[in-house]
Amino acid sequence: QKEVEQDPGPLSVPEGAIVSLNCTYSNSAFQYFMWYRQYSRKGPELLMYTYSSGNKEDGRFTAQVDKSSKYISLFIRDSQPSDSATYLCAMRVYRDDKIIFGKGTRLHILP
Amino acid sequence: SAVISQKPSRDICQRGTSLTIQCQVDSQVTMMFWYRQQPGQSLTLIATANQGSEATYESGFVIDKFPISRPNLTFSTLTVSNMSPEDSSIYLCSATDRGTDTQYFGPGTRLTVL
Repeated sequence: QKEVEQDPGPLSVPEGAIVSLNCTYSNSAFQYFMWYRQYSRKGPELLMYTYSSGNKEDGRFTAQVDKSSKYISLFIRDSQPSDSATYLCAMRVYRDDKIIFGKGTRLHILP
Repeated sequence: SAVISQKPSRDICQRGTSLTIQCQVDSQVTMMFWYRQQPGQSLTLIATANQGSEATYESGFVIDKFPISRPNLTFSTLTVSNMSPEDSSIYLCSATDRGTDTQYFGPGTRLTVL
């Protein structure tokens, strides 16, 4: 079993819909959770960074962490065509530890 | 947040040659990393670039193939040596921001080996 599992998609949703992106993980020692967005031919861009279980909101984005289920989610409200990108979940055990990435989910927002 | 630049942004190289990729960060950072991202795949960590000492390589990557330098807290290079078509990939530099403890990425270097 891989340490981090993420459905690669592609996921296509109409503009304005709520998008839900998810990852599961096997290592219960993971404490730091991140979501990166990567546009085609660009480097990953950090979107959200959370430490604890629960929800963290930033504008249209909400990151959710459920450590008991080893499950993290990213919700995008009022999705826009500009949100079309690959979204990678990432996590690590310690602050200075290497990051383990999911494979990324390709998201298409249809105008 | 740290701003990271890479040079070159892309290159097409012949088999057997070497290419050095440069990474510059606009502020002093604690840790710098080099990743590879093959088409349609996630990021694979090649090594951690340590300032003033030898890089720490991940399983499957060796210093002879991917020599790394980090002469100071804001600059690092990765060399892809004796290239083969299998080395065609995007190479990404990243750094941990000392203040926020978050990891940022450069724009990547797209390498094609013929």
